[in-house]
Amino acid sequence: EAGVAQSPRYKIIEKRQSVAFWCNPISGHATLYWYQQILGQGPKLLIQFQNNGVVDDSQLPKDRFSAERLKGVDSTLKIQPAKLEDSAVYLCASSLARGVGEKLFFGSGTQLSVL
Amino acid sequence: QKEVEQNSGPLSVPEGAIASLNCTYSDRGSQSFFWYRQYSGKSPELIMFIYSNGDKEDGRFTAQLNKASQYVSLLIRDSQPSDSATYLCAVNKNSGGYQKVTFGTGTKLQVIP
Repeated sequence: EAGVAQSPRYKIIEKRQSVAFWCNPISGHATLYWYQQILGQGPKLLIQFQNNGVVDDSQLPKDRFSAERLKGVDSTLKIQPAKLEDSAVYLCASSLARGVGEKLFFGSGTQLSVL
Repeated sequence: QKEVEQNSGPLSVPEGAIASLNCTYSDRGSQSFFWYRQYSGKSPELIMFIYSNGDKEDGRFTAQLNKASQYVSLLIRDSQPSDSATYLCAVNKNSGGYQKVTFGTGTKLQVIP
């Protein structure tokens, strides 16, 4: 079974530039998550999709971050304009969404450095 | 109060010893509890999950849950240098029809050969 695919693996940009990350979840997984992990901290949920719809984006800085999930499969996360504090690893995860106790499967992440 | 709290460590244990990792959570409505292991520069991977009060054992790993005390722990027996990693506690609850998963900050474990 193929895992969660993410790209790019690394990205270096200057502040005020824009960047986009891509995620392809495990086939059949209805729920897709984007987490931000700053060095030394735990993953922080940015946005959660259930199929096509957003179920939680309460911690997404909507003035600069946006995300979409096309046809309930692939997803992109965009930052525009980037700030220095956006330097982090962006993790995409997916789960089956069949009830309590969902196990999350993570992609390899995108390490973003904003200079 | 943070939703999920862990001591950031590092927790240092000698090879062969038992490592004990602890986690507390604030929401009494939390329903399931997970331990993820994250090696440096890698993504989290699930190692244990527990839903009911008591102990759950899987090989060298034992998860313990006490809902009354809002406390989850992970014991690693016969610790190996390869167990050196950050261990993330995650808590799951049904929130408005979807599953909300919240992670703690993680505890860094160092197993000394």
